[in-house]
Amino acid sequence: EIVLTQSPASLSLSPGERATLSCRASQTLSNYLAWYQQRPGQPPRLLIYDISKRATDVPARFTGSRSGTDFTLTISSLEPEDFAVYYCQQRTNWPLRCSFGQGTRLEIK
Amino acid sequence: QVQLVQSGGEVKPPGASVNVSCKASGYSFSTHGISWVRQAPGQGLEWMGWINTYNGNTNYAQKFQGRVLMTADTPTATAYMELRSLRSDDTAIYYCARGYDPLDYWGRGALVTVSS
Repeated sequence: EIVLTQSPASLSLSPGERATLSCRASQTLSNYLAWYQQRPGQPPRLLIYDISKRATDVPARFTGSRSGTDFTLTISSLEPEDFAVYYCQQRTNWPLRCSFGQGTRLEIK
Repeated sequence: QVQLVQSGGEVKPPGASVNVSCKASGYSFSTHGISWVRQAPGQGLEWMGWINTYNGNTNYAQKFQGRVLMTADTPTATAYMELRSLRSDDTAIYYCARGYDPLDYWGRGALVTVSS
């Protein structure tokens, strides 16, 4: 089973700052990793899929990248609506299994 | 536009079963499967499984094998998730989402509370 470990668990930043969220996989993944944003009281929202592709209507300030088994979500300049919890997600094909990281809470400083 | 409309919240006693529905619209139901994900209060996301809405094949997370049943009704474009032998730690919001790679549209969730 692939385990995703997100860091940090929480991050306190100010609007306009740059946020860097990490997700480390316990073993090599295929070219699939997704990121989701969840605001309080709402369902998760897809931000990034296939490591670096932005979902529909996702602003360009959100970018995804990979270095080996380390994946990064970068928010270039934080807007007030970006303060939320972020989850990474992977899947394996055989057997089909999905898993999420434990989340990173992005808070206003 | 793609929408997933879930059934309402429920309160169940320990040992009972719960059935949550998820009605899809705005796309071809049989071309995208449905995943089920749950979230306990104040906790993270937990993937429960996925149903292929074209042929009804299922893939369940090992944790839920033997206790969960996912089905889909193509004529009504509705997916169902039944969880049996409920325990207090099954109290959670249960979400349906389209696909698994990625989960690109989500329902608003159904709160299931297990309490005597």
